[in-house]
Amino acid sequence: GAGVSQTPSNKVTEKGKYVELRCDPISGHTALYWYRQSLGQGPEFLIYFQGTGAADDSGLPNDRFFAVRPEGSVSTLKIQRTERGDSAVYLCASSIDWGDEQYFGPGTRLTVT
Amino acid sequence: ILNVEQSPQSLHVQEGDSTNFTCSFPSSNFYALHWYRWETAKSPEALFVMTLNGDEKKKGRISATLNTKEGYSYLYIKGSQPEDSATYLCALWYDMRFGAGTRLTVKP
Repeated sequence: GAGVSQTPSNKVTEKGKYVELRCDPISGHTALYWYRQSLGQGPEFLIYFQGTGAADDSGLPNDRFFAVRPEGSVSTLKIQRTERGDSAVYLCASSIDWGDEQYFGPGTRLTVT
Repeated sequence: ILNVEQSPQSLHVQEGDSTNFTCSFPSSNFYALHWYRWETAKSPEALFVMTLNGDEKKKGRISATLNTKEGYSYLYIKGSQPEDSATYLCALWYDMRFGAGTRLTVKP
């Protein structure tokens, strides 16, 4: 079946602009996770959804970052007033339920110039 | 240990060698440990979800053990093949903390 998909695969934006990154999880997976990965580091947790609600958003670095999952499937990560330090690969993963093995998408490479 | 630490950072072995690497984590409030393999230009792929102290799991030539009391897990690869070349990540569950990974290169 279809895996986790993320769009766009690459995004280049100017400092100060707003961006949206989309994640389409595996159908039926209730848990959805967003991570950010910088070169040489492991994925850094940002936010986790259980269904439609953000069960844990403790990893969001500041209030410029926000994510939604309005119908419990597709999720959008939104970044306002982007900064060069936001440049990273943003990974999305889903699992049947919290704690189960995660299935990752291919990531969105965000570059802020 | 406050964070999830993986060692070594990188490893180069010859085809056919067996190898192992370590994931260390805080032993208090343990819930589960995940292992993932991340090949270049692909998505991370789950290998194991380990929950019980003393757990041993195996998938083909790859196996893993877990010691929750002392806070470590070992990943073993028997008879490494070039296709095993990847970054191996461990992640501590409850708070979804990943280590920085061990980058394995298997030379033919």
